[in-house]
Amino acid sequence: KAGVTQTPRYLIKTRGQQVTLSCSPISGHRSVSWYQQTPGQGLQFLFEYFSETQRNKGNFPGRFSGRQFSNSRSEMNVSTLELGDSALYLCASSLAFEGTLYYEQYFGPGTRLTVT
Amino acid sequence: AQSVTQLDSQVPVFEEAPVELRCNYSSSVSVYLFWYVQYPNQGLQLLLKYLSGSTLVKGINGFEAEFNKSQTSFHLRKPSVHISDTAEYFCAVKDNYGQNFVFGPGTRLSVLP
Repeated sequence: KAGVTQTPRYLIKTRGQQVTLSCSPISGHRSVSWYQQTPGQGLQFLFEYFSETQRNKGNFPGRFSGRQFSNSRSEMNVSTLELGDSALYLCASSLAFEGTLYYEQYFGPGTRLTVT
Repeated sequence: AQSVTQLDSQVPVFEEAPVELRCNYSSSVSVYLFWYVQYPNQGLQLLLKYLSGSTLVKGINGFEAEFNKSQTSFHLRKPSVHISDTAEYFCAVKDNYGQNFVFGPGTRLSVLP
């Protein structure tokens, strides 16, 4: 079974631009979560999508948004990029169902975004 | 709110020596606990998890961890490390109510020849 894939793997953008990152979950997984990883802040939860609905959201500004399609693929968008948005963005998929307390997450390799 | 502390940001150890990576959490409710490993330029891989039951949990690659509720700790151990264990290790917690995981800052394990 193919793992979680993220595209692109590397991206360089300029301040003020916007960017869209893509995540394809493991086949059959309906939940996709996004995380931002930086040396200073570590791993921080951005949001989770389940069956095309945002189910949970971390403490990030509205410039960070996401969506999930009917095939469970997910995209996240960052508008008006700032230097501090430079990070590794990780996507994780899981078999989570409504009401389950625990579900194992499988992480993709990440997209490394550099903002100049 | 939950939080996770990993006191050691870097741990150098010689090959075949034992290692312990420390993790403490704060939560007022029952939690699930996890250790993940991240190799360079890769995503996170689950090493082991504690959901309930036995407090000693065994994971992949010879790692184990012990849940100590009174000390709110979940330290990771390996009796004999290999060069290939060089990576960053993250402790994470999830409670029964929240949907998201809270990760610690990570510990970089460097295994020296």
